[in-house]
Amino acid sequence: KAGVTQTPRYLIKTRGQQVTLSCSPISGHRSVSWYQQTPGQGLQFLFEYFSETQRNKGNFPGRFSGRQFSNSRSEMNVSTLELGDSALYLCASSLSPNTGELFFGEGSRLTVL
Amino acid sequence: EDKVVQSPLSLVVHEGDTVTLNCSYEVTNFRSLLWYKQEKKAPTFLFMLTSSGIEKKSGRLSSILDKKELSSILNITATQTGDSAIYLCASEADAGGTSYGKLTFGQGTILTVHP
Repeated sequence: KAGVTQTPRYLIKTRGQQVTLSCSPISGHRSVSWYQQTPGQGLQFLFEYFSETQRNKGNFPGRFSGRQFSNSRSEMNVSTLELGDSALYLCASSLSPNTGELFFGEGSRLTVL
Repeated sequence: EDKVVQSPLSLVVHEGDTVTLNCSYEVTNFRSLLWYKQEKKAPTFLFMLTSSGIEKKSGRLSSILDKKELSSILNITATQTGDSAIYLCASEADAGGTSYGKLTFGQGTILTVHP
């Protein structure tokens, strides 16, 4: 059974640009969450989607957005990139929408220059 | 705001040693406490502890939840070099029967096991 797949794995952008990250959950998983991981702040919750609906959002500015498609695949977008957006962006899926047992992908490493 | 604090932040031991990692939490409407292991990129699930399941064990790893002290420990016995990783503790709050995917993570404990 394939795990959570994230693309791209690495990317470099410059300030002011925008970026779109993609996540394919484990087959059958309908809940997808996104987290940002930085050395200073650790893992921080961005948002969660279930059945194409955003059910929860963390304390991030509106530049961070996401969506989920009918096949449960999800994308997140960051507009007007800032240096501080450099981070590992982790996507996680879960079989049940009501559990903390998450299955994480290997992440997308974003560097903003 | 929910908060999770882990200690120590880093730990260096030798193979065969036993280690205890600590986690304290402040959560409104506690639902569960989870432990994850992060070796390279993807955190992998270890344990989930709830009010109805305060002790879990898997091989050399075990974890206990102390709801009175709002804390949890993760024990690893007979450590091996393969145990070297970041161990993450996370709390889950109950927002009406679900957490809506939101976990609050601690800073993590970096464990290094030398041969």
